[in-house]
Amino acid sequence: GAGVSQSPSNKVTEKGKDVELRCDPISGHTALYWYRQSLGQGLEFLIYFQGNSAPDKSGLPSDRFSAERTGGSVSTLTIQRTQQEDSAVYLCASSFTSGGWETQYFGPGTRLLVL
Amino acid sequence: SQELEQSPQSLIVQEGKNLTINCTSSKTLYGLYWYKQKYGEGLIFLMMLQKGGEEKSHEKITAKLDEKKQQSSLHITASQPSHAGIYLCGAVRETSGSRLTFGEGTQLTVNP
Repeated sequence: GAGVSQSPSNKVTEKGKDVELRCDPISGHTALYWYRQSLGQGLEFLIYFQGNSAPDKSGLPSDRFSAERTGGSVSTLTIQRTQQEDSAVYLCASSFTSGGWETQYFGPGTRLLVL
Repeated sequence: SQELEQSPQSLIVQEGKNLTINCTSSKTLYGLYWYKQKYGEGLIFLMMLQKGGEEKSHEKITAKLDEKKQQSSLHITASQPSHAGIYLCGAVRETSGSRLTFGEGTQLTVNP
């Protein structure tokens, strides 16, 4: 398994519940990104990690959203008190830098449905 | 309005035909990436173009970056059903670090 993996692949939850989405990046990739893809909004950046720190959290839509990364590897995106507008596909990407340029490799995504 | 405009939004072609997808930026491009997405799957990296009028090819797909026009084009020669999917361009801005801003995507259907 050399690619980025995400779990669960699908999640159905009730409005108001908390959810946790997991991302396992490619081994050795120091940078990790979370994006959200929804109808009408396209693909939106959420947060970026370099190692375990998050220098750019500017895309998180509200304080109900948080993310952490431990050991420079696995990352968890948590959505508290989910709302129906949180329904989307959440994509994780990890990257390496070569020749000064970075290439992001994406996981298959977690499809979240909030009822 | 979108920072990255893709055209067309959707495209249906007959197998064997050539096609072109365009991505135009309203802001200065620092780097341009092309990805392909199939329904229910993540994004598959195709190519990365750096500032400077670059052109790259992989199998039957060629991408070019025209920095004067702030535009990139993706050209597929002799299309096949396996080329079907959503093509997304993503841009890196000098002022936004390494995160990508994406276009809305172009839905490509290739009929056998």
